[in-house]
Amino acid sequence: NAGVTQTPKFQVLKTGQSMTLQCAQDMNHNSMYWYRQDPGMGLRLIYYSASEGTTDKGEVPNGYNVSRLNKREFSLRLESAAPSQTSVYFCASSIGGTGSYEQYFGPGTRLTVT
Amino acid sequence: GENVEQHPSTLSVQEGDSAVIKCTYSDSASNYFPWYKQELGKRPQLIIDIRSNVGEKKDQRIAVTLNKTAKHFSLHITETQPEDSAVYFCAASLGGGSQGNLIFGKGTKLSVKP
Repeated sequence: NAGVTQTPKFQVLKTGQSMTLQCAQDMNHNSMYWYRQDPGMGLRLIYYSASEGTTDKGEVPNGYNVSRLNKREFSLRLESAAPSQTSVYFCASSIGGTGSYEQYFGPGTRLTVT
Repeated sequence: GENVEQHPSTLSVQEGDSAVIKCTYSDSASNYFPWYKQELGKRPQLIIDIRSNVGEKKDQRIAVTLNKTAKHFSLHITETQPEDSAVYFCAASLGGGSQGNLIFGKGTKLSVKP
């Protein structure tokens, strides 16, 4: 099993450009999450999908949109990138429901917006 | 909403000593408290977790204690080794499903000196 995979690993954007970060998991998990990690700030939840077909905002959703494409895939889109969105983005998944609460993280995408 | 405070932000110990990291949370309904270890440039990985019906949990050199009345929980690492050097994050959540969102502390950078 590959676990949680993310593409790309690195990306540089100019202000105003758009891009989509891809995430996939092969563990048959129901819930998926997008976090951003900034120095000294820990991990902050951007959006989550408790189950296929649902998405909800987390702590810091402004400037982002998400799509739960199917049970395996959960993408994060930046419509008009801003320097404040320079960060490391992690996708995570968990079984969801009343099962194990453990979240498994992907390797991350390092995004720089100039 | 939930707020998690983590202390200290940096911790330096000699190899073989013990290390303790403390977290407090604000939402008394939170019932799941994981600890993640993140090595430089890597993804966060779960090292131990505890649910609110348990006061203490141990796994070899790592232990977590929970005081629900005081709303705080701690990570204890005994006989520290250089490979324990990393950033450690605590988190709290209301459990599974749509309540499974983790709120993270800002992290503790642990340095173990040989």
